[in-house]
Amino acid sequence: GQNIDQPTEMTATEGAIVQINCTYQTSGFNGLFWYQQHAGEAPTFLSYNVLDGLEEKGRFSSFLSRSKGYSYLLLKELQMKDSASYLCAVKDSNYQLIWGAGTKLIIKP
Amino acid sequence: NAGVTQTPKFQVLKTGQSMTLQCAQDMNHEYMSWYRQDPGMGLRLIHYSVGAGITDQGEVPNGYNVSRSTTEDFPLRLLSAAPSQTSVYFCASSYQAGSGANVLTFGAGSRLTVL
Repeated sequence: GQNIDQPTEMTATEGAIVQINCTYQTSGFNGLFWYQQHAGEAPTFLSYNVLDGLEEKGRFSSFLSRSKGYSYLLLKELQMKDSASYLCAVKDSNYQLIWGAGTKLIIKP
Repeated sequence: NAGVTQTPKFQVLKTGQSMTLQCAQDMNHEYMSWYRQDPGMGLRLIHYSVGAGITDQGEVPNGYNVSRSTTEDFPLRLLSAAPSQTSVYFCASSYQAGSGANVLTFGAGSRLTVL
């Protein structure tokens, strides 16, 4: 079967750095996405990785290792508005997205 | 620029009732899809469409119907509502399907409760 694993919940302090991990087992790989979802709202796109390595976009970076079936989202200089769920999704060999259950990130002052 | 518009935002149904969730996008996206989101689970694909007149089943299609008569609209019909269909429903679209970073734009969601 296909599986995406993420921690259910993480807590971090305002101004700090947090890394959210995602491991996947899918039938084929055509890219990995990270989306942010604030409570009661729709998911919004954060990043896309298809090749190994680090993609940096402001305070957010995303890393991919295809050989290990592993990705992480790195959030720097955490702000209270970063409190949200972070969803990892992999596009499989049929170009369908397989979604993780999401990681709820709680930021404390 | 409205993006993806979903209605209604909230709905309460009784078991056995039918209803339609509306979804419209104004971005000329070819790909449209419906997901449901339940606590502790990832988004699950119900139905999707790669263009007007073309629809296909996703992971959890039972109890739902869709049609795509125009590029803009992709309604989701619940034929005979069941308590197991209590969920938050999202419509999402992208420029196209297939390979590449086809980023999904989501509607605001529809929270459905079936009693």
